[in-house]
Amino acid sequence: AQSVTQLGSHVSVSEGALVLLRCNYSSSVPPYLFWYVQYPNQGLQLLLKYTSAATLVKGINGFEAEFKKSETSFHLTKPSAHMSDAAEYFCAVNTGGFKTIFGAGTRLFVKA
Amino acid sequence: GAGVSQSPSNKVTEKGKDVELRCDPISGHTALYWYRQSLGQGLEFLIYFQGNSAPDKSGLPSDRFSAERTGGSVSTLTIQRTQQEDSAVYLCASSYNQRTDTQYFGPGTRLTVL
Repeated sequence: AQSVTQLGSHVSVSEGALVLLRCNYSSSVPPYLFWYVQYPNQGLQLLLKYTSAATLVKGINGFEAEFKKSETSFHLTKPSAHMSDAAEYFCAVNTGGFKTIFGAGTRLFVKA
Repeated sequence: GAGVSQSPSNKVTEKGKDVELRCDPISGHTALYWYRQSLGQGLEFLIYFQGNSAPDKSGLPSDRFSAERTGGSVSTLTIQRTQQEDSAVYLCASSYNQRTDTQYFGPGTRLTVL
């Protein structure tokens, strides 16, 4: 069965600092992986996705994620946090069919 | 173009009542999903529709939950005899018909069961 684990329900960083949100997945077949973001009082929107092409995936707003098969990870990073990055981030995995499994989410706080 | 819309945006009901939540997907999207978002629980998959195929109902938590999709477009999620634990935000998403396709989410319906 497929599953997603996001380490840390809350992450706090200072403005300008590195953002690292962790995601590990479980899958017996090659996965498709996604990061979605939910800004306050808004719906979820896609940040980036891995679909078996390049292992380093670039997304919107300066975010990127690297697929590491050996570590079964798909961590999300951004070199320099901005106040507008404060939101909840969801990692998701799809390993067959159309059911996508979402992680519990990580809420990112950015301190001035 | 128009995104995914959901109605109502908020619904307060009494325990034991039935509720209907509506989702209007993006035109041309053949796949439609319902999720439940509870505080601190992430997104819980409920049900998936793809074209005219039989829906994947594997995520529905009990037989009080049902959903239909008419004409391959609008979908209605029905919760019968609501319980307090049904309180959550119910999200609808739609996409084209590939696994790798982005899901476009609606704003959600916040359901409160008193």
